Amino acid sequence: EAGVTQFPSHSVIEKGQTVTLRCDPISGHDNLYWYRRVMGKEIKFLLHFVKESKQDESGMPNNRFLAERTGGTYSTLKVQPAELEDSGVYFCASSAPRYPGQADYGYTFGSGTRLTVV
Amino acid sequence: KNEVEQSPQNLTAQEGEFITINCSYSVGISALHWLQQHPGGGIVSLFMLSSGKKKHGRLIATINIQEKHSSLHITASHPRDSAVYICAVDVRRLRRTGNQFYFGTGTSLTVIP
Repeated sequence: EAGVTQFPSHSVIEKGQTVTLRCDPISGHDNLYWYRRVMGKEIKFLLHFVKESKQDESGMPNNRFLAERTGGTYSTLKVQPAELEDSGVYFCASSAPRYPGQADYGYTFGSGTRLTVV
Repeated sequence: KNEVEQSPQNLTAQEGEFITINCSYSVGISALHWLQQHPGGGIVSLFMLSSGKKKHGRLIATINIQEKHSSLHITASHPRDSAVYICAVDVRRLRRTGNQFYFGTGTSLTVIP
């Protein structure tokens, strides 16, 4: 079974440019999460999709960040325009839907996209 | 105060040493994950624990649910183990949507040859 795939693995862009990160969850995983780790700080939640719907986007830092998940499959996270403080590692995780009585299931994390804004 | 506390924040060890990284949490959890972030940024999930102990090669993870504490041990450490190790707790019992993880700040491990 393929894992959660993210690309690019590394992106270096200039301040003011636009970057789009992509996350392909495990097939059949309705839940998709985006997280960000800025250098030296703890990982922060950005948002949660259930299928194509945004369930919680309370962690999105500002309106320069736009996440989409058209068709409920892969998701993109666009940063426009990028600022220096956006540098960090962006990673996503996916999990299957959970039903009453179902045993706990695991999350699968992607390996992340390292974004460097210069 | 963070819901997840890790210690130490930084750790330098000589090759071959036994290493322990600790994680304490203050919330009810469904499971606890140990993640490894390499210098290039990539995240690898090492373990998911809900009780007891798991072992993969030289890595051992334990969890004590009553004490809300987990440890990650590395036996016979090697320079390639140098990375940031992150403890993450799954709080789906508390929240059905949104942020279902709390993360520690990570432990930066450097193993010297």
